[in-house]
Amino acid sequence: ILNVEQSPQSLHVQEGDSTNFTCSFPSSNFYALHWYRWETAKSPEALFVMTLNGDEKKKGRISATLNTKEGYSYLYIKGSQPEDSATYLCALSTGNQFYFGTGTSLTVIP
Amino acid sequence: DAGVIQSPRHEVTEMGQEVTLRCKPISGHDYLFWYRQTMMRGLELLIYFNNNVPIDDSGMPEDRFSAKMPNASFSTLKIQPSEPRDSAVYFCASSLGSTSIPTDTQYFGPGTRLTVL
Repeated sequence: ILNVEQSPQSLHVQEGDSTNFTCSFPSSNFYALHWYRWETAKSPEALFVMTLNGDEKKKGRISATLNTKEGYSYLYIKGSQPEDSATYLCALSTGNQFYFGTGTSLTVIP
Repeated sequence: DAGVIQSPRHEVTEMGQEVTLRCKPISGHDYLFWYRQTMMRGLELLIYFNNNVPIDDSGMPEDRFSAKMPNASFSTLKIQPSEPRDSAVYFCASSLGSTSIPTDTQYFGPGTRLTVL
């Protein structure tokens, strides 16, 4: 079992603030890193899949970077809005297994 | 496409009963995954299939759990006999199969909330 860690565990920010959080993983046996957005009482929704060291992906105000050599990925949200409130999960694919982090719970205060 | 479809959405059963959860993946997706979500352990991969064949079931907790995929559009996860500790939300997800390794984006169903009394 691989340990995928996310920090912080929870985060409260004011509307309009920019924020970021981290996903750390063992750098060996890496195939892909996934980011998901998970709202309460709904199912996880895919944000990004990244496979190459140095990958940067962007979707609206949300972006992510990947460093496979040091084993981390950052997720950034620019100008947070209340609708961004959710749990953000990362998952490591090692080829034949997926390992999810425990998520960062983001609350954006209007 | 309607997305990944799971049924039932909620299931309440008594300890010892058999429970069958159902999943219909997105048409054209080659991979199907079963996950379990609990407060204690978060989201765990139980088993996944590629082209209807089980590839990795190392996450299946016990022999009481079994999963099948008789065709490309249907999969079941069965628990027999069920126990209170099986209470959780069970998600099914599917993805395309552009490679032999399931790295593509997974699309999750709405989940089945199982309560075993």
